Amino acid sequence: QVQLKESGPGLVQPSQTLSLTCTVSGFSLTSNSVSWVRQPPGKGLEWMGAIWSGGSTDYNSALKSRLSISRDTSKSQVFLKMNSLQTEDTAIYFCTRRRYSFDYWGQGVMVTVSS
Amino acid sequence: DIQMTQSPSLLSASVGDRVTLNCKASQNINKNLEWYQQKLGEAPKLLIYYTNNLQTGISSRFSGSGSGTDYTLTISSLQPEDVATYYCYQYNSGHTFGAGTKLELK
Repeated sequence: QVQLKESGPGLVQPSQTLSLTCTVSGFSLTSNSVSWVRQPPGKGLEWMGAIWSGGSTDYNSALKSRLSISRDTSKSQVFLKMNSLQTEDTAIYFCTRRRYSFDYWGQGVMVTVSS
Repeated sequence: DIQMTQSPSLLSASVGDRVTLNCKASQNINKNLEWYQQKLGEAPKLLIYYTNNLQTGISSRFSGSGSGTDYTLTISSLQPEDVATYYCYQYNSGHTFGAGTKLELK
C-alpha cells in the first residue's frame, strides 16, 4: 500500500539548514510527483515545492531562494533542504504524493526553530 | 501569484444542517481546484478533485461546484465527524492553498 513517512531533526537552530527526508513505499517516484507542504502551529497549509516524476522541481516563489528538493529513486526517498531558518519556519512539514491530486500524505514531522 | 480567499473563516452549524463553504480565486483557475479536510492532529485528506469529483471513499454528502473564480464545497447534512478545517487548493497557475474554514458544531 502507498505510504509516505517524513523524518528529520525536531529542533534546528536559527540560521541553520533544515534537512528532511520523505521515504515512500507502494509507488514509484519516476511515475509520481511528491510535494512538501508545511503548517505552522495553529495556522494554515503552505505548499513549499515539488519534485515531478521526471525529476524537475518547482518551488514556492516565497521560499525559492532558500529551498532545494531532490530525490534518490533507488532508495525511494525525497529530500528537502532549506537554509537560513528563522523562528517563523517552525511548523509541521508534510510530504504528499501528487498523481492527479494530493491523494496520500505522510503523518508530518514537527520542526522547531529555536536556540 | 494566485490568491485563494476562503469564507467564512469560522462556521458554526448544527447536526443535519446544509453547510456551504466558499473559495474565491484572484483570477480564473479553470476548475483546477481541490478541497481537503483536516481534522485536529491529522494530515489533510482529499475530499474533492477538479472542482466536483468526489474522491473514492468520501461520503456523498460532500459535493463541490464552481467555475471561473468562485467555488463551493457543500455538506448536505452535517455530521459530528465533519468537524474539521477545510482548505481549497488551486493548481491552475502555481500552487496555492486557501487559509481554511474551520467548521464547528453549534
